[in-house]
Amino acid sequence: EDQVTQSPEALRLQEGESSSLNCSYTVSGLRGLFWYRQDPGKGPEFLFTLYSAGEEKEKERLKATLTKKESFLHITAPKPEDSATYLCAVHSRNQGGKLIFGQGTELSVKP
Amino acid sequence: EPEVTQTPSHQVTQMGQEVILRCVPISNHLYFYWYRQILGQKVEFLVSFYNNEISEKSEIFDDQFSVERPDGSNFTLKIRSTKLEDSAMYFCASSPEDRSNQPQHFGDGTRLSIL
Repeated sequence: EDQVTQSPEALRLQEGESSSLNCSYTVSGLRGLFWYRQDPGKGPEFLFTLYSAGEEKEKERLKATLTKKESFLHITAPKPEDSATYLCAVHSRNQGGKLIFGQGTELSVKP
Repeated sequence: EPEVTQTPSHQVTQMGQEVILRCVPISNHLYFYWYRQILGQKVEFLVSFYNNEISEKSEIFDDQFSVERPDGSNFTLKIRSTKLEDSAMYFCASSPEDRSNQPQHFGDGTRLSIL
């Protein structure tokens, strides 16, 4: 069964304190791995897509990486406005177009 | 930037009543999806829709659920006889193609509360 697990469930950082969020996945043929940001009361906002092991994508203070078993979202020198829940989702070859989501990591950045 | 819009933002309904959730996908997108998120749980896939028919549905999407694209812009989710456990955030998403290099874009959801 395809599965996505994110850790930690919650992460509290001081402004400027870099860290990483983890997304472990088990899928029967990965077509793509997605990172989304979700603010309270809002829908998931697309950040990155990764397709193959070794791939990296960057956007401002965020960098996403991918291996054959997991993905990391690295946050460099975070700011309070980076506080949100970060969701990881996979697109599997055997699951049509649907996304399978992890439970998310709630990030809080204090000034 | 084009976005997916959903109405209403909050719907309160008595158990057993019918409810229709509405979505306007991004205009040039061809694939449409409904997901739901029960408070504190993962976002779960419900159904995907392409070319005026369901292309995939989950076990959650039973006979009480239906989807429709009544015109060229709207995409609706109907729950025929709501249950308490249908209380959740319902998200609509759309993408131009059903491929991983075309990410799904989500609306801000409808919070459905069943009393």
